[in-house]
Amino acid sequence: GAGVSQSPSNKVTEKGKDVELRCDPISGHTALYWYRQSLGQGLEFLIYFQGNSAPDKSGLPSDRFSAERTGGSVSTLTIQRTQQEDSAVYLCAVNGRATGYNEQFFGPGTRLTVL
Amino acid sequence: DAKTTQPNSMESNEEEPVHLPCNHSTISGTDYIHWYRQLPSQGPEYVIHGLTSNVNNRMASLAIAEDRKSSTLILHRATLRDAAVYYCILRDVGDNDMRFGAGTRLTVKP
Repeated sequence: GAGVSQSPSNKVTEKGKDVELRCDPISGHTALYWYRQSLGQGLEFLIYFQGNSAPDKSGLPSDRFSAERTGGSVSTLTIQRTQQEDSAVYLCAVNGRATGYNEQFFGPGTRLTVL
Repeated sequence: DAKTTQPNSMESNEEEPVHLPCNHSTISGTDYIHWYRQLPSQGPEYVIHGLTSNVNNRMASLAIAEDRKSSTLILHRATLRDAAVYYCILRDVGDNDMRFGAGTRLTVKP
């Protein structure tokens, strides 16, 4: 998606290891979202950052999941003690200003595989 | 969140129009109707959104029923590149997130 990069594109890890997924939007997007998509499923909302407000963490599936956003730009999603059910594509999205923040631009995602 | 109902899959022939339906009978007055699509191995991309009136943009048209309980995404001339999963989503102006369902998988046949 325009203006959002994610890294790594693919991550294979062993069960029990911690992983960090990165989202790097171009500057100026105040709202940032994390979603995950399991194989063949729709998107599942995880967390939302809006400016300096406290993030909406209501979608995080467990306390093994956490996210931060530094300087209002780059965001990192951390999964501790990964489990096989964490395997999914993790997508980051930001709001687009061109349509009055009504649309979201998605990054290409990080495909996480937990063995 | 108000829910939407879409067919699991649809087929279309190339260069023909496609009408993708979405039912949202519990829509509220402040819910916007958003459509996104997800091409294979890519993140979702915005297609169009509207509130009450029909909307047109370079990608598609959105026809909203008078009672707003249903809407239709119209691709005027399907191409092979339009093969994707299309998501119809309701989003209240005060919502932080977009709740994506399973969507409609559109297959375009040459």
